[in-house]
Amino acid sequence: AQSVSQHNHHVILSEAASLELGCNYSYGGTVNLFWYVQYPGQHLQLLLKYFSGDPLVKGIKGFEAEFIKSKFSFNLRKPSVQWSDTAEYFCAVNSENYGQNFVFGPGTRLSVLP
Amino acid sequence: KAGVTQTPRYLIKTRGQQVTLSCSPISGHRSVSWYQQTPGQGLQFLFEYFSETQRNKGNFPGRFSGRQFSNSRSEMNVSTLELGDSALYLCASSLAGGTQETQYFGPGTRLLVL
Repeated sequence: AQSVSQHNHHVILSEAASLELGCNYSYGGTVNLFWYVQYPGQHLQLLLKYFSGDPLVKGIKGFEAEFIKSKFSFNLRKPSVQWSDTAEYFCAVNSENYGQNFVFGPGTRLSVLP
Repeated sequence: KAGVTQTPRYLIKTRGQQVTLSCSPISGHRSVSWYQQTPGQGLQFLFEYFSETQRNKGNFPGRFSGRQFSNSRSEMNVSTLELGDSALYLCASSLAGGTQETQYFGPGTRLLVL
């Protein structure tokens, strides 16, 4: 079955530290990759997405992610986190080969200390 | 443009009862997907509707059902509630449910089964 894993359950950083959240998926073939964020008390919202082309994609709020096909990975990065980045981050994958539904990773909770 | 709305926001039911949750997508969006979010299982896809037809279904028992109306509004029904059905139920809409489309999530309905 298709699955998405995220390396860390909970990450704690100080402001200005660099962030990298890992995401791996177990699909074969062509995939579409997404990172969603859920700020405390808010809706899930899209940070960035990758379909094809340049494997380094930029999203909102200074986030970027790199697709490495050979590693089945789509890691999220931010050079310098802020307290306002405290949230839960979800990696998600879908593929035409497996229907249109998204498969989400378990999420990584990020706590940024001021 | 108004976002995805879900009603009710909170619900308390007892085992054996049934419940109906409602979702109004963003105006113009014709695809509505439902997800169950729990601390243990994360976000799991329930089903997706497009033009009043269920197009995709996740791995949930038949107690979980849904429908979509001609105005794209969708309802989800859970019959014979079990304690394990306690969760946040999220609805997401997109224009046509294509795999490369962004899904826009609502605030969710938090269901507690006692």
